[in-house]
Amino acid sequence: GAVVSQHPSWVICKSGTSVKIECRSLDFQATTMFWYRQFPKQSLMLMATSNEGSKATYEQGVEKDKFLINHASLTLSTLTVTSAHPEDSSFYICSAHRGGGPYEQYFGPGTRLTVT
Amino acid sequence: QQPVQSPQAVILREGEDAVINCSSSKALYSVHWYRQKHGEAPVFLMILLKGGEQKGHDKISASFNEKKQQSSLYLTASQLSYSGTYFCGTEKAAGNKLTFGGGTRVLVKP
Repeated sequence: GAVVSQHPSWVICKSGTSVKIECRSLDFQATTMFWYRQFPKQSLMLMATSNEGSKATYEQGVEKDKFLINHASLTLSTLTVTSAHPEDSSFYICSAHRGGGPYEQYFGPGTRLTVT
Repeated sequence: QQPVQSPQAVILREGEDAVINCSSSKALYSVHWYRQKHGEAPVFLMILLKGGEQKGHDKISASFNEKKQQSSLYLTASQLSYSGTYFCGTEKAAGNKLTFGGGTRVLVKP
């Protein structure tokens, strides 16, 4: 199957700082990338849909100015959590999609963010 | 709207069977099934498209009844490796955005 990487795999930051998370599709071109947030023992909640070269589409209730998403190329999308607060602590997972059909999404390994 | 999965959790002995259901209140274009182990990313199992198809992979199979807007995942002769949380993801149209159910935690014991 296709490989999607995320970096970093975990990060601890202080309240008020910003954190950038990278999502890369390693062996295919991802027309679309998705960013999810997952709390312990809960489901995956879609935050935003990111298409290469265009602005991300955010789900209702997700602050676009707080969670900045950039999809600069067909293999890289980044999520920046700005002015992080303890309530932003969570497991952030990206997925990549080839586009053009009902294909599966390939998930990255996730990034554990802890804000102190 | 989030699809509803049932049961929320199931405990099996190795070799036993289980069924996980995923129901939506809206018409569906496709249903995706994933399995996630603790601390890891979800792993794709299969996609079912509208048309009432069934699919299988090894001893895990699934069906999709578009009229009832529900899908079922069948774990047959379960193995220890089947343990994890199973999520269904539904797609209302061919836009590739998935809405995931709450998950079903499966524990297979020796």
